[in-house]
Amino acid sequence: EVQLLESGGGLVQPGGSLRLSCAASGFTFSSYAMSWVRQAPGKGLEWVSGISGSGGRTYYADSVKGRLTISRDNSKSTLYLQINTLRAEDTALYYCAKGYDVLTHFDFWGQGTLVTVSS
Amino acid sequence: QSVLTQPPSLSGAPGQRVTISCTGSTSNFGADFDVHWYQHLPGTAPKLLIYGNSNRPSGVPDRFSGSKSGTSASLAITGLQAEDEADYYCQSYDSRLSGYVFGTGTKVSVL
Repeated sequence: EVQLLESGGGLVQPGGSLRLSCAASGFTFSSYAMSWVRQAPGKGLEWVSGISGSGGRTYYADSVKGRLTISRDNSKSTLYLQINTLRAEDTALYYCAKGYDVLTHFDFWGQGTLVTVSS
Repeated sequence: QSVLTQPPSLSGAPGQRVTISCTGSTSNFGADFDVHWYQHLPGTAPKLLIYGNSNRPSGVPDRFSGSKSGTSASLAITGLQAEDEADYYCQSYDSRLSGYVFGTGTKVSVL
């Protein structure tokens, strides 16, 4: 059974940093691209970043380029998202999602971890 | 700002059919990228409902069906049930943005 478990969210002051983690199990982690998708309060789903199975290629939405860094440790089956210079608009529930194939859909999602940016 | 447009809300009585539209452009649907659909209850994990325009993952009832034509796509729910009350999102890949895109989302209510 595929399981994705996010952690690392919390209350952070504007300008601060946070690293989110997503522990994966139930599939060969290194064989699949992974992504982070967020949902701000009262808003829709927004893809923010993706990474290839090997970790050699990373992708970012224009809205977050330069402040977010996605990475993975295939030996630990864990996906990461480093968020720097946090802004109020980064407040959201962050989901990790498993990619089925390149440029297609996300077949499994985690329950999400909440990031709140406030002073 | 999403590049895929959906109606904000739809409603129907139990047993009725509702259809959710998703309007894209030449850089996503028109560039032959597929549409996928998710069912989402806020605060929970989104669930894949339709992939590759019209395919259902194992376990998804055949009451759900999808289609795509040109720069538009749609999700139909027939025999609406109370458990179908949720938010629905379309998703694709956009070549101009070089990234995945989601629709604006549609809240389906069962009367």
